[in-house]
Parts: sequence; structure tokens; C-alpha cells
Amino acid sequence: EVQLLESGGGLVQPGGSLRLSCAASGFTFSVYAMNWVRQAPGKGLDWVSGITGSGGTTYYADSVKGRFTISRDNSKNTLYLQMNSLGADDTAVYYCTKADSQGIHYWGQGTLVTVSS
Amino acid sequence: DVVMTQSPLSLPVTLGQPASISCRSSQSLVYSDGNTYLSWFQQRPGQSPRRLIYKVSNWDSGVPDRFSGSGSGTDFTLEISRVEAEDVGIYYCMQATHWPITFGQGTRVEIK
Repeated sequence: EVQLLESGGGLVQPGGSLRLSCAASGFTFSVYAMNWVRQAPGKGLDWVSGITGSGGTTYYADSVKGRFTISRDNSKNTLYLQMNSLGADDTAVYYCTKADSQGIHYWGQGTLVTVSS
Repeated sequence: DVVMTQSPLSLPVTLGQPASISCRSSQSLVYSDGNTYLSWFQQRPGQSPRRLIYKVSNWDSGVPDRFSGSGSGTDFTLEISRVEAEDVGIYYCMQATHWPITFGQGTRVEIK
């Protein structure tokens, strides 16, 4: 059974940083691309960033480019999202998602990031 | 970026009656390999999204057959043949043909 367990969310001041983690299990982690998708309170789904299985290629939404960094440690079956220069617009539940050849498939339970003073 | 436009945004439905959600993309979702990477997700209240349909019309494992997907090019539809109480939630279409991945605004399905 695929399991994705996010952690690292919390309250951070504007301009601050947070690092999200996603522990994956139930599949061969290094084979699959992974993505982060966020959902602001009461709003829709917004793709944030993606990374190939090897970690060699990364992708970012324009809204986070230069501020967020996605990475993975295939030896630990863990996906990361380093978030810097956070602003109020970054307040959201951040979901770790597993891709397959059709696109995004499985989702974690999400971790809430709140940017506020 | 490809803009995904869903309609309606709110859909009150009577139990046992059909429901239909439209999703239109700002450009064709046919990829160079001939596939169309259009998926549908269900997000029940308080839960994470769950994929129901991939590549327009293929069911994910465990998805009831009252859900069906259809369409081509830029016009797609999710249909629920007979709405049940557990179908309440928000439904999103998503395209993965073009980078970046983009989602529709969501359609809220509720029981009348």
C-alpha cells in the first residue's frame, strides 16, 4: 500500500523558511517522479514543484521559482521541499504526491503551512 | 500555462440522479505520444484528493463504475450515473500533458 507522510509544517513569520519532508513507503521510491501540490484555505489545487525519480530534473511553478527547492533522498525514501522567503500567499496545505505515467496519482494527508506575524 | 475551466462550479443533485461536470482546456491535451493526460480527482470533505479517472476515461482501482469520463482534445466530461451520499465533495480535472501541471477550479457536488 502506498503511503506518503508529510511533516514539517507549522506557523512561520513572513520572510521565514520551512522545510517540508515526505516519507514514502509501499513502492520503489527511486522509480517514480514526485510532486508537491498545495491548497490554500478554501481554495483549489495548485501544483508547486516536481522532481524526477533520479532527482536529476526539477520543475517549479513561477510563483515559487527561486524561493522553493525540491529534493529527494532515495536512500531514505524521502522527498523534501525547502521553502524560503515565505509570504502570506504561501499559506496552504502542502500535499506530497506520487506520480505515475499518467500524471499525479497518490496523495499524502497534507501538512499545513501558515505564514503570519 | 494551460487553463482548465470547469462548469458548473456548484452542482446540487438529488440522490439517485445523474450528474455531469464539464472541463475545458485552453489548448489541446493530446500529447506527442498520442495519449491525452486528463485526470479527474475527488476530494471529500476533510480528505486528500483521490484520483478517479486517468487518460480521460480509465478507472483507477476501486472506483465505482457509476463514475465515467469522456471527451477529447479540449472538452472533457465526468459523469456520475446515480449520485450517492458518499459522492459529496469537490471534483477537479487536471492536465499533465503540458508543463506545468494545471487543475480546474473545482466543482462542488452537494445533495439537494
